[in-house]
Amino acid sequence: GESVGLHLPTLSVQEGDNSIINCAYSNSASDYFIWYKQESGKGPQFIIDIRSNMDKRQGQRVTVLLNKTVKHLSLQIAATQPGDSAVYFCAERPGTYKYIFGTGTRLKVLA
Amino acid sequence: ETGVTQTPRHLVMGMTNKKSLKCEQHLGHNAMYWYKQSAKKPLELMFVYSLEERVENNSVPSRFSPECPNSSHLFLHLHTLQPEDSALYLCASSQDSGEQFFGPGTRLTVL
Repeated sequence: GESVGLHLPTLSVQEGDNSIINCAYSNSASDYFIWYKQESGKGPQFIIDIRSNMDKRQGQRVTVLLNKTVKHLSLQIAATQPGDSAVYFCAERPGTYKYIFGTGTRLKVLA
Repeated sequence: ETGVTQTPRHLVMGMTNKKSLKCEQHLGHNAMYWYKQSAKKPLELMFVYSLEERVENNSVPSRFSPECPNSSHLFLHLHTLQPEDSALYLCASSQDSGEQFFGPGTRLTVL
């Protein structure tokens, strides 16, 4: 079946280090991908997106990489800060208005 | 502030009750979504409305009934729910099928 999965349920990093969160997707028809951040008690917050015709996209301290050959998506956070502690999950769009979300990875930033 | 509000933020109801969740978006978007978020499970898309017409219905039990009176408001009517329906219910909006903006969610507990 269709699925978007995250390999690591919890990731702990030292403050100031770079974080890498990975995601595998299964639908080769997906043309759009999004990374979300969700803090406790809040709804998901958009971080960065990428379309299938791109391999890399950069934002402020974040970079998303897309490898369509192996159906893999990653989120890189540079100089991780305590405020980055949250659950991160990816989403793919295999069709109009149809989004499939991953389970999520909890990022813990250690002081 | 995401521009998407949801009320109530918390709701406790018995299995025989009837209640409604409300979502309002202030972003001028033309599509709205209901998602269910359970512990340790990915976000599950329940309903999608585009231009006030339902365009996606992912095999949701009939005890959940959506209503979209206009492009800014979305309701989820609940009746005779089961304890396994306890979850965080998230509303989102988007312009066409693009980036979704989420509300803070309603934490529902069914006794």
